[in-house]
Parts: sequence; structure tokens; C-alpha cells
Amino acid sequence: NAGVMQNPRHLVRRRGQEARLRCSPMKGHSHVYWYRQLPEEGLKFMVYLQKENIIDESGMPKERFSAEFPKEGPSILRIQQVVRGDSAAYFCASSPDKGEGLAKNIQYFGAGTRLSVL
Amino acid sequence: QKEVEQDPGPLSVPEGAIVSLNCTYSNSAFQYFMWYRQYSRKGPELLMYTYSSGNKEDGRFTAQVDKSSKYISLFIRDSQPSDSATYLCAMSEYTNAGKSTFGDGTTLTVKP
Repeated sequence: NAGVMQNPRHLVRRRGQEARLRCSPMKGHSHVYWYRQLPEEGLKFMVYLQKENIIDESGMPKERFSAEFPKEGPSILRIQQVVRGDSAAYFCASSPDKGEGLAKNIQYFGAGTRLSVL
Repeated sequence: QKEVEQDPGPLSVPEGAIVSLNCTYSNSAFQYFMWYRQYSRKGPELLMYTYSSGNKEDGRFTAQVDKSSKYISLFIRDSQPSDSATYLCAMSEYTNAGKSTFGDGTTLTVKP
């Protein structure tokens, strides 16, 4: 059973370009979460999605950032017109569709995408 | 002020020592409490999770939650060099369990 798959692992963009980060959840998981981690800091929640729905986007910057999780295919985090401050590790996590209580809320993380903006 | 504050570290201990990692929080709505281990340039790996107050033990790891003091701890017994990593506490509310709030992490080094 493959874990949460993120690609690319490393992404280099110049200022003003677009960055697209992909996340395939674990099999049987339809809940996806994106977090951002700056150097020497913890993970900061960005967005929570279910298939075709955004459930909570309270951590998303108001501009340039968007996320989707289509019916088919991976979840995409899109950053338009990147700036140096967007350089960070972006982690995706997924949680199961079924389960009782706490088990349903456990989030499994991918290895992350490290974005570097030149 | 951050919702979750974690002892910053770094922490360096000899092999076999007992390690205590701690977090405090301000949001009384937090009900789920997790500890993750993160190796350098890897994703977080869930170690322990608990609901509400109390203790939970799993092998060499014990998680403790004191909701009255808004304080959680992770104890590692008989620490090993392979335990060297950054440890992150995380918490979420019952009604919004999808959104976890993380501490900034404590980096632990266990010396042989």
C-alpha cells in the first residue's frame, strides 16, 4: 500500500513563474491537507479538501495560491507569480474515508515538495 | 502569540537517557493531540495520538495530556541514536479535526 505521493520532490522557479505541486493520497483516502513549512519552523495549515470540494481554506494566502482535488487525479497546489518568500517545503497529508473517532482523523504525510524561488 | 508553543531545543542527550518533550497551548477547544517525528528533509511521521486528557504508552514512548494546564508531553525511555530527529507536537479541535496546529518542533540528538 503506497503512502502519500508528492511530486516533484524539488522544484526550482524564478520569480514570477508558476509552481504546481501534486499530491496523490493513500488508497482509500479522500481527505487531503496541505501544509507549508518554513526553515526552523513547524508546519502551517493551508487547506483541507475532499474530492471536488474545499472544506477549509483558512490558512491559504488570499492571493496567488489555489488548491483543487478533482474527481480523478491528484490534488494540486498552485502558486502563481512566485516570490522568494514562497520558498519552503510543502507537505501534503491524507486521512481515511472510514473509521471511528480518532482513527478517522489521523493524517499521513508525504515526503514533501521543496520549492526554491530564485 | 502562537496557539501552540513548543520547547525550542535543541536537546542533546546520551544514549539510554529519558527524554521529555513538551508543548503548551492556549486554545481550550483542542481535543486531539499528536506527536510526530520528522527526520531531516523527510515528511512527518505520526508517533502518538491521544484524545482529551490522560496518558498513552506505546513501547518506549509515553504521551501525556493535561488539559487543565493546557500542557502535553512526550517521554522517550531508553533513548537511541535512531531517535535523533525533530519532534513536532500537533493539536486539533473536535469540530475541525482536519486542521492541525503544529508546534515549531524540538530537535533531539541522542549521542552514542
